[in-house]
Amino acid sequence: AQSVTQLDSHVSVSEGTPVLLRCNYSSSYSPSLFWYVQHPNKGLQLLLKYTSAATLVKGINGFEAEFKKSETSFHLTKPSAHMSDAAEYFCVVSGGFNTNAGKSTFGDGTTLTVKP
Amino acid sequence: NAGVTQNPKFQVLKTGQSMTLQCAQDMNHNSMYWYRQDPGMGLRLIYYSASEGTTDKGEVPNGYNVSRLNKREFSLRLESAAPSQTSVYFCASSVEDRFNYGYTFGSGTRLTVV
Repeated sequence: AQSVTQLDSHVSVSEGTPVLLRCNYSSSYSPSLFWYVQHPNKGLQLLLKYTSAATLVKGINGFEAEFKKSETSFHLTKPSAHMSDAAEYFCVVSGGFNTNAGKSTFGDGTTLTVKP
Repeated sequence: NAGVTQNPKFQVLKTGQSMTLQCAQDMNHNSMYWYRQDPGMGLRLIYYSASEGTTDKGEVPNGYNVSRLNKREFSLRLESAAPSQTSVYFCASSVEDRFNYGYTFGSGTRLTVV
């Protein structure tokens, strides 16, 4: 069994300040973890993924996430927010790299607002 | 390179009408998926096709059917639409279902059933 919890449904930051989007997971196996971004009226785009290699994962657009097994967390961060980062972000867990992609579980999403 | 293409982008149906949502990918991916997205509920898997010639139910398959027409195309059919099927539908593909590389998503179909 697996589940994912995005701890904040909404996060608001000022442009140029750090971003932290929190994600906790549970999984019976060594998980694969993903972050996707969805801009308004668009499809989801893969930001980054963890598949049991380096615990600090760098993604596109300056985002990164750290896999912490002891805390069962995979929080998404960015040092300095840009207006174009305003979007909805989804954390996704699956049972592992060799687990069917169709068995992925999506979080409910976090809406990021960036104020000028 | 179009990636995953969905048609139509918007549709309004009356209760009881039928329709087919089209999806095609040009990345030579083996696996394709249909998700629905409802406010505050993330994405839920309707059906998927791990490879050409196979389809499997996901979390919320009731009221839907699918066809994997060939490696590129994976369609979703609503035989008798209901207001509860008002949602945004996303098609996605991945290299292989057996290994989770992540998905490539289409831009979605926004369906309203009245």
